[in-house]
Amino acid sequence: EPEVTQTPSHQVTQMGQEVILRCVPISNHLYFYWYRQILGQKVEFLVSFYNNEISEKSEIFDDQFSVERPDGSNFTLKIRSTKLEDSAMYFCASCHGREGNIQYFGAGTRLSVL
Amino acid sequence: GEDVEQSLFLSVREGDSSVINCTYTDSSSTYLYWYKQEPGAGLQLLTYIFSNMDMKQDQRLTVLLNKKDKHLSLRIADTQTGDSAIYFCAENSSASKIIFGSGTRLSIRP
Repeated sequence: EPEVTQTPSHQVTQMGQEVILRCVPISNHLYFYWYRQILGQKVEFLVSFYNNEISEKSEIFDDQFSVERPDGSNFTLKIRSTKLEDSAMYFCASCHGREGNIQYFGAGTRLSVL
Repeated sequence: GEDVEQSLFLSVREGDSSVINCTYTDSSSTYLYWYKQEPGAGLQLLTYIFSNMDMKQDQRLTVLLNKKDKHLSLRIADTQTGDSAIYFCAENSSASKIIFGSGTRLSIRP
């Protein structure tokens, strides 16, 4: 069964460093998303991406964040200068756009900022 | 703004039914979902319901939707130890963001 894959599963970085979280969405999906879940808190929407551009973003998704679909398969989230409060589980999701608008989630990347 | 609320904990005896409740505020929600998250794992879609439906059954899972009261529930029949997880209620109104509840942690007593 097709699935969303995310790498790495765990990323440790120093405050102020740049990180890139990688995702391979399901191949025939058209909509892509990033969410994050700070430990013990709700899953929060960060950004949605369609037709090679951001379609919606939350207040969390400030200038330190960017997304890119560099080729036909990868979808990346970059955090330019990480802060301690960026420590969270980051989930990538993809959606075909039909089929109940179902978003399929990856297993997540745990980002730890020290 | 949009919000989804659910109780934080539920404890049931193995073999009993579990009922997890959820309320939401967005009256334009077209799809409502239940996701399951096991410890250290991602979000697994369990089931979803379209807003023009009242009920959906899928094996041990029954979803009830009361659109007037904006209330969604998930019933798990014959609850097993493998059902221990956090269950997230979620909604969206288009192919855009999903709004999640805080999650209900289901624990199973022997």
